[in-house]
Amino acid sequence: DQQVKQNSPSLSVQEGRISILNCDYTNSMFDYFLWYKKYPAEGPTFLISISSIKDKNEDGRFTVFLNKSAKHLSLHIVPSQPGDSAVYFCAARYTDKLIFGTGTRLQVFP
Amino acid sequence: ETGVTQTPRHLVMGMTNKKSLKCEQHLGHNAMYWYKQSAKKPLELMFVYNFKEQTENNSVPSRFSPECPNSSHLFLHLHTLQPEDSALYLCASRGSVRQETQYFGPGTRLLVL
Repeated sequence: DQQVKQNSPSLSVQEGRISILNCDYTNSMFDYFLWYKKYPAEGPTFLISISSIKDKNEDGRFTVFLNKSAKHLSLHIVPSQPGDSAVYFCAARYTDKLIFGTGTRLQVFP
Repeated sequence: ETGVTQTPRHLVMGMTNKKSLKCEQHLGHNAMYWYKQSAKKPLELMFVYNFKEQTENNSVPSRFSPECPNSSHLFLHLHTLQPEDSALYLCASRGSVRQETQYFGPGTRLLVL
């Protein structure tokens, strides 16, 4: 039973446009949600997080939106750049553990 | 060196071998984690250590044996592994309990023949 789901395995976006990555969760006890970015042959790199009591957090080109009633969060990247091409993982925190989704591969093309 | 480091980066071993993975964090963190990432699957939490004490064993087979001699170092001892144990093994660390962010090392790519 997967508690954190990323239903889109891949996404292709043109440079300069907005990338929207989605994540759904089932456990109402999660208190933080995080997004990580992973390049091949590297470990995941932390991007941005949001507390469960907030509905939006912004950091430069990255914005995370949280809809608690729908148990849904999304990561917006605008404008998208070729260097953003990577696998993006959504994660949710319960006590001191993170539960990860399966990832979405983002490709930003010129 | 800063951040979280892992050695070796790549490892090939036979099913009868014994090997160890090493993780070191230079962030002054109190908690360390082992994760397994297999193809097409989410990162799976294996073990959690807080202040050198194991606080989580996520039903991991005994052929994986963790060791945490101090807050900066974490080992994963491997013996009599199976080919299905081939995966990317990631180490992570976290600061205080109130901090939500875990910081990952680059991982060890393990192939069991």
